[in-house]
Amino acid sequence: KAGVTQTPRYLIKTRGQQVTLSCSPISGHRSVSWYQQTPGQGLQFLFEYFSETQRNKGNFPGRFSGRQFSNSRSEMNVSTLELGDSALYLCASSEGAPNYGYTFGSGTRLTVV
Amino acid sequence: AQSVTQLGSHVSVSEGALVLLRCNYSSSVPPYLFWYVQYPNQGLQLLLKYTTGATLVKGINGFEAEFKKSETSFHLTKPSAHMSDAAEYFCAVTQPGSNYKLTFGKGTLLTVNP
Repeated sequence: KAGVTQTPRYLIKTRGQQVTLSCSPISGHRSVSWYQQTPGQGLQFLFEYFSETQRNKGNFPGRFSGRQFSNSRSEMNVSTLELGDSALYLCASSEGAPNYGYTFGSGTRLTVV
Repeated sequence: AQSVTQLGSHVSVSEGALVLLRCNYSSSVPPYLFWYVQYPNQGLQLLLKYTTGATLVKGINGFEAEFKKSETSFHLTKPSAHMSDAAEYFCAVTQPGSNYKLTFGKGTLLTVNP
């Protein structure tokens, strides 16, 4: 089974720009979650989607948004980038119930300059 | 509400020594608990998880953890450290039901000395 695929792996953007990150979950998994990892704040939950519906959202500003498509692939978008948005963005795939656990992708490293 | 505390941001052991990484959690309902490992420039790999049933959980690479409800702990152990175990380890908690998110501890960086 292929793992969780995140693209691109690395991204450099300028302040004020917007960015879209992509995540393809494990085949058959219908839940996709997104996390932001920074040295200062650690791993923080952004949002979770299941069958195209957002089921939970973390405490991030509205500049952070996401969506999920009918094939379970997910995208997250960050508008009006700030320097503090520089982070590793991780996507996690799950069958849907928390007891199944979560499989993470390798992440997208976003650098805002 | 849920939270995780990992005691010790950096643990250093000798090769062949016991590895003990501490994790305490807070949860308003019986939790599901996870340990993940992260190698440099990579994502998170699941080591083991506790959902229900046996409180001693065995994972990959010789790691195990014991869920102790009375102590609200889920410490990770390995009898004999290997150089390849050097990485950052994260404990995480979630709640059964409608939560759908993992709350992570700050992580413990494990160094293995030859």
